[in-house]
Amino acid sequence: GENVEQHPSTLSVQEGDSAVIKCTYSDSASNYFPWYKQELGKRPQLIIDIRSNVGEKKDQRIAVTLNKTAKHFSLHITETQPEDSAVYFCAASRGGSSNTGKLIFGQGTTLQVKP
Amino acid sequence: EADIYQTPRYLVIGTGKKITLECSQTMGHDKMYWYQQDPGMELHLIHYSYGVNSTEKGDLSSESTVSRIRTEHFPLTLESARPSHTSQYLCASRGLANTGELFFGEGSRLTVL
Repeated sequence: GENVEQHPSTLSVQEGDSAVIKCTYSDSASNYFPWYKQELGKRPQLIIDIRSNVGEKKDQRIAVTLNKTAKHFSLHITETQPEDSAVYFCAASRGGSSNTGKLIFGQGTTLQVKP
Repeated sequence: EADIYQTPRYLVIGTGKKITLECSQTMGHDKMYWYQQDPGMELHLIHYSYGVNSTEKGDLSSESTVSRIRTEHFPLTLESARPSHTSQYLCASRGLANTGELFFGEGSRLTVL
């Protein structure tokens, strides 16, 4: 079945450094790849997403890259700040309006940004 | 305000009790989901629905059941709770397009003694 692998499971960086989280997916029909951030005790919230027709998308300090051939995508956070500390989840799903819209999540990465 | 609501937020019950976790959304979304998550850990899909009278089991085996009689309402029921059911349950919804944002509720934290 569909599977999304996420690495690393924990990541600790100094404030100001960059952080990179990587995911691989198994379903070659996947074409939508969102990233969710979950702060302690709160619900997951979408921070950025990418569709398969582009290779990179950037939003201020956050960027996502996609390699469809290799079936992997990555989240890049530059100039990290303490408020970036959270659990980050990647996900993948098929697009369109069919009934195959399950969003499969990776295992999560706990990011700690040290002041 | 358009949102997704879960009740109760916290529940402590004894083994063998029947419980229902409520989830309602006011965004008119067709697709709704239930995820089970231990704090800070992986999100496991246990049930989903693509519309009224449509329900499917997710990837994680669960002894719970769901129903979807109305678009806005997607309750989850445990007929006989056990300590192994102790976890957080997150409800989510999404619009028609599969590339739309998934909106999560605040979660129901269940403890079974």
